[in-house]
Amino acid sequence: ETGVTQTPRHLVMGMTNKKSLKCEQHLGHNAMYWYKQSAKKPLELMFVYNFKEQTENNSVPSRFSPECPNSSHLFLHLHTLQPEDSALYLCASSQEGIGGASNEKLFFGSGTQLSVL
Amino acid sequence: GNSVTQMEGPVTLSEEAFLTINCTYTATGYPSLFWYVQYPGEGLQLLLKATKADDKGSNKGFEATYRKETTSFHLEKGSVQVSDSAVYFCALGRSTLTFGKGTMLLVSP
Repeated sequence: ETGVTQTPRHLVMGMTNKKSLKCEQHLGHNAMYWYKQSAKKPLELMFVYNFKEQTENNSVPSRFSPECPNSSHLFLHLHTLQPEDSALYLCASSQEGIGGASNEKLFFGSGTQLSVL
Repeated sequence: GNSVTQMEGPVTLSEEAFLTINCTYTATGYPSLFWYVQYPGEGLQLLLKATKADDKGSNKGFEATYRKETTSFHLEKGSVQVSDSAVYFCALGRSTLTFGKGTMLLVSP
């Protein structure tokens, strides 16, 4: 148990559906992240929120829309996805966020395994 | 930019065998180096880290040394167990991390 909880664990959706992934951390951390894990590819950083402000968006298509209502919760809203978006989506948090001295240790959730049909 | 290259897996070993998983990197500046581990059905967990050249990170019998001259951070363990079966990720960075593709380790009894 890392203190970062993701729901749902598994999600199957059609290309026309709208769904949301949820992440919650109870560690008092100030930064939260979305990563995409695809087979045989490096982990891809998608979004970073630092003190609830989005600080990075690594050229992610607009069909992925993040939301960070407070420092403990992070959402990833999905709409009109493509089959190539099927992957494991990992949420992570860290203590101080971008530029902090102790932000090097990331705490990951177990991920949401997404399948787009 | 930063990048991390790991050896292709899976690495298949018998219990008590010696493990080496190679990791090399390219980076600007002097980043910290990390090994993360992902057990089946779980997210990644920090295994060990090193923050400067010649530092050795160690945890749970695993160790890795930050080699600036060879830009490497190879993971080693003297005697693996079945419970070490997992995917291992090498990473570097400071404010955000750059990960490798991961190397799957399978240990049989």
